[in-house]
Amino acid sequence: EVQLVESGGGLVQPGGSLRLSCAASGFTFSSCWMHWVRQAPGKGLVWVSRVNSDGSGITYADSVRGRFTISRDNAKNTLYLQMNSLRAEDTAVYYCASSPYGGFSDYWGQGTLVTVSS
Amino acid sequence: DIQMTQSPSSLSASVEDRVTITCRASQTISRYLNWYQQKPGRAPKLLIYSASTLQSGVPSRFSGSGSGTDFTLTISSLQPEDFATYYCQQSYSTPLTFGGGTKVEIK
Repeated sequence: EVQLVESGGGLVQPGGSLRLSCAASGFTFSSCWMHWVRQAPGKGLVWVSRVNSDGSGITYADSVRGRFTISRDNAKNTLYLQMNSLRAEDTAVYYCASSPYGGFSDYWGQGTLVTVSS
Repeated sequence: DIQMTQSPSSLSASVEDRVTITCRASQTISRYLNWYQQKPGRAPKLLIYSASTLQSGVPSRFSGSGSGTDFTLTISSLQPEDFATYYCQQSYSTPLTFGGGTKVEIK
């Protein structure tokens, strides 16, 4: 059974940092692209970032470029999102999602809530 | 960036109704269009990819069509478990973008 389990969310002050993790199991993690997608409370889905299977190809949304860093450790079957210089508008549930070709996301984690507030 | 516009933003329908949701891209995206279903408090679930390919395990009452800039998601006979919010997403180019969502409610 495919499982994606996010962790690392919480309450952080504006300007602070958090690192999200996504532990993968039940599939060949090293063969899949991975995405981070976020959803602000009561709002729609917003794509954040994508990394290819070996970590050599990375893309970001303009709203997070320069502040967020996506990475992966294929030996640990884990995806990461390092979030720096956090802003109130980064408050959202963050989902990790797997992707066979870097396009659609076929499996999603349950999400982890990040709240940026003083 | 490619803008995705869904319509309607919400609709009310009865069980066994036929429901159609449309999604329009601001530029051509070939068939790089995906549909997701999301229920409150849950992660999105992939329904259809590449405009019309049904994801494994998804009931056949869901179907997708279209190419270029105009796409539709059809539920042929709405079931109680289908009341949810539906999102389209283009995967033609980054940044990948989602439509604003269509909330399907019980009439």
